Amino acid sequence: IAGITQAPTSQILAAGRRMTLRCTQDMRHNAMYWYRQDLGLGLRLIHYSNTAGTTGKGEVPDGYSVSRANTDDFPLTLASAVPSQTSVYFCASSGAPGTEAFFGQGTRLTVV
Amino acid sequence: GEDVEQSLFLSVREGDSSVINCTYTDSSSTYLYWYKQEPGAGLQLLTYIFSNMDMKQDQRLTVLLNKKDKHLSLRIADTQTGDSAIYFCAEKRNDMRFGAGTRLTVKP
Repeated sequence: IAGITQAPTSQILAAGRRMTLRCTQDMRHNAMYWYRQDLGLGLRLIHYSNTAGTTGKGEVPDGYSVSRANTDDFPLTLASAVPSQTSVYFCASSGAPGTEAFFGQGTRLTVV
Repeated sequence: GEDVEQSLFLSVREGDSSVINCTYTDSSSTYLYWYKQEPGAGLQLLTYIFSNMDMKQDQRLTVLLNKKDKHLSLRIADTQTGDSAIYFCAEKRNDMRFGAGTRLTVKP
């Protein structure tokens, strides 16, 4: 693996089901982020983590949870999916301030 | 995001200059970024500027920062059809916040 990887690439999920989106990076970046991208709203920050063991809430955290047990992984969990969580989800990581934030290719999630 | 604002659309002719504008609200932001997103892809960093700078130039790209007005702009000189994409402004605080993105369309 080189860079940042998200899985799955896409998913159709029944409302009420639990789902974990995976994100792994091998660049030893301290900071990791989860965004959702919706038409006309751009990227909205869901949760972030500035270092392993810590997490913070972004703009739209409700209905989502994250954990950061180690530097490489930052999973995003939807405890009970709702249709309004249909979106494209991007994971990103960054090292020192001013350096590039690398983005995964995105996970397209459809909740029906 | 609510804290970073951009206009949603910009259309220019090939060869013209494009100027994409952004306003942000947090004066403590240390770095400001411009990202480019092509269809079906993730975001890629174009350039960034540190908050103590007024201008940064990188080939066809010029970033201007007016810290007093919290205004950031990206100028693309000699815009090409390959520049058609969505451009996001972002600010780095404790976290990282993005604008809604400006869809640039370049007409031949």
